[in-house]
Amino acid sequence: QVQLQESGPGLVKPSETLSLTCTVSGGSISSINNYYWNWIRQPPGKGLEWIGYIYYSGSTNYSPSLKSRVTISVHTSKNQFSLRLSSVTAADTAVYYCARGKQLSGMDVWGQGTTVTVSS
Amino acid sequence: SYVLTQPPSVSVAPGKTARITCGGNNIGSKSVHWYLQKPGQAPVLVIYYDSDRPSGIPERFSGSNSGNTATLTISRVEAGDEADYYCQVWDSSSDHYVFGTGTKVTVL
Repeated sequence: QVQLQESGPGLVKPSETLSLTCTVSGGSISSINNYYWNWIRQPPGKGLEWIGYIYYSGSTNYSPSLKSRVTISVHTSKNQFSLRLSSVTAADTAVYYCARGKQLSGMDVWGQGTTVTVSS
Repeated sequence: SYVLTQPPSVSVAPGKTARITCGGNNIGSKSVHWYLQKPGQAPVLVIYYDSDRPSGIPERFSGSNSGNTATLTISRVEAGDEADYYCQVWDSSSDHYVFGTGTKVTVL
């Protein structure tokens, strides 16, 4: 079965760029059709916030509130997709999750999440 | 952008029924998904496409969706059902996912 695993630095300085990778195992990211590969975050003590996705075709879509700072890309040879969030502030401190989803069937596979703290 | 509103908290006694609402403009025209999240864990999909259950999810979990409100119902509540619950839709006007504000379910 498909599994997802986030990885990346746990500490990022203010104004720098947060970079995370989600590694997909148990299936090829490029051959699993019609899936959206998502990033979601959860600030401490708060709810879930959808960040954006990359579709299996390579198209992307981002949350309007983060669009100017977010880039999601796919690396098919490594079976990974990644998140870059620029100009981070303390408000970007959160647990970041990657998840696989479809429009009509929700997000059925999630990574365990990785905590990112923005601090000098 | 599309907004989903949930009650912050719901309390229920063991063995009783918990109902968690998710309000949104004409949400009945959208496909609603529900997740539970226990402390320190990733969310788990419990209902998709309004009322379908993924494999492994107990029949005690059910969903409905009509008008401006979707509802997750947990029957015969157990202590292990204590968690945060989130609704989610796909907003076809923007091709975005939207999460609800979340509801903390407390088992008394």
